[in-house]
Order: sequence, then structure tokens, then C-alpha cells
Amino acid sequence: GAVVSQHPSRVICKSGTSVKIECRSLDFQATTMFWYRQFPKQSLMLMATSNEGSKATYEQGVEKDKFLINHASLTLSTLTVTSAHPEDSSFYICSARGALVLAGQPYEQYFGPGTRLTVT
Amino acid sequence: AQKVTQAQTEISVVEKEDVTLDCVYETRDTTYYLFWYKQPPSGELVFLIRRNSFDEQNEISGRYSWNFQKSTSSFNFTITASQVVDSAVYFCALRGLVIQGAQKLVFGQGTRLTINP
Repeated sequence: GAVVSQHPSRVICKSGTSVKIECRSLDFQATTMFWYRQFPKQSLMLMATSNEGSKATYEQGVEKDKFLINHASLTLSTLTVTSAHPEDSSFYICSARGALVLAGQPYEQYFGPGTRLTVT
Repeated sequence: AQKVTQAQTEISVVEKEDVTLDCVYETRDTTYYLFWYKQPPSGELVFLIRRNSFDEQNEISGRYSWNFQKSTSSFNFTITASQVVDSAVYFCALRGLVIQGAQKLVFGQGTRLTINP
């Protein structure tokens, strides 16, 4: 149980186009979802936190108009990179957390497998 | 503010050696959780362990063991008899109580572990 999926796993797009990444909690309701970005050989950097039905809270320095996050349901959140540029190339990881006790622990956070975005 | 420091950027050992990954944290919370994650080359984060601040018992799981010392704010991870499959980046992370508004996991910079045959 407690599986988080991401789609696509890899995407290559041209500069100036927009890319949407989906994050789904497959067997639990995710009241909170997190989006991270990870550059090569670096740690995970939190981009934003979203609660279902609410606007996402972005971390300092993250452009909310460029990285659009939608968390319209308890099992799906999307990250859209608008007008992507080569510097947006990165590994994007989503994470989902339920409000109920899962696996014996409350507020457990589960990570998706990541999406590797390459902007050419 | 919360902070996690993994001072070892990279470690390289020969297979079957024991290796310890260090993690030092800072927090003003009295209740908090510590985590270790493994990130193999595929990129997916693999959860290894969660420890709450009230449980200082060391834990062993197969070849893995964890040493939590509140007095030194450390939560070190040891792999015994390392194997090539243990090669990965390992992250230590810290989080406060969600009900107190601590939503975020704070990650260390990670330690890249290479096990050579």
C-alpha cells in the first residue's frame, strides 16, 4: 500500500513549451502533496506544498506563475512547467501525505519515482 | 530553524567493509522525527527508517543499523558488510510535528556512497 505514481517518468520538450507532470496517490487519499526539484548531485529542494482544494504554498524563490500546481482531488496533483527553458531541466519528485494513519504512523509521506525533464 | 547536516559528501569503500554515514541535526522542537532515505541511480527515494525524538533505542534491520544520540543531535547510519547494491545517495531528514504546523521535511545534502567490488 501507500504508492505514489508519477507520469511521465521522462520528458523531453522544446524551449518555450509547457510540460505537465502528474502525481497520483494510488491507494490513499493525499490531503497534502509536495513538489521537489533535484539538480544533479544535489539534495531535494522543496518547491511548493499543496493541500487539496487550496492554492499551493510556494517556497521562497520559486516562481508560482512558472510552476503551476493544481491539487484538485485527493489523489491527483499536477505540476505544469510553463514556457520551459533549458535551466528548468531537472528531476522533479512529488510526495504525498495522508491525514489518516497509514502503515501505523500518522502523516506518513510517500515519494513518487520522479520525472526527469529535459528542455532542449 | 531546522537544519540537517551530512558532512560526508562522498564515501567510497570496498565491498564487505562496514561504513557509517553521519547525520547531525538542529531543531528547537521537543518532538520531532528523523528519517533516512536511499536514492539509488534510478532516482526513486526509498524510505529506510523513521525515528521519533522520544525513542533513543538503536535499531538494527539486517545489515543496517541506526544510532540516535539526542545528546549530540546525531542520527548515524551504519551499513555492515557493505554490498555493491548499497551504492546510492543517502539522505537524512528531519520533520517536526505536523499538527504543530511543521509540514516540511528538511533534508541534508546527502552522502554519495560507492561500494567497489
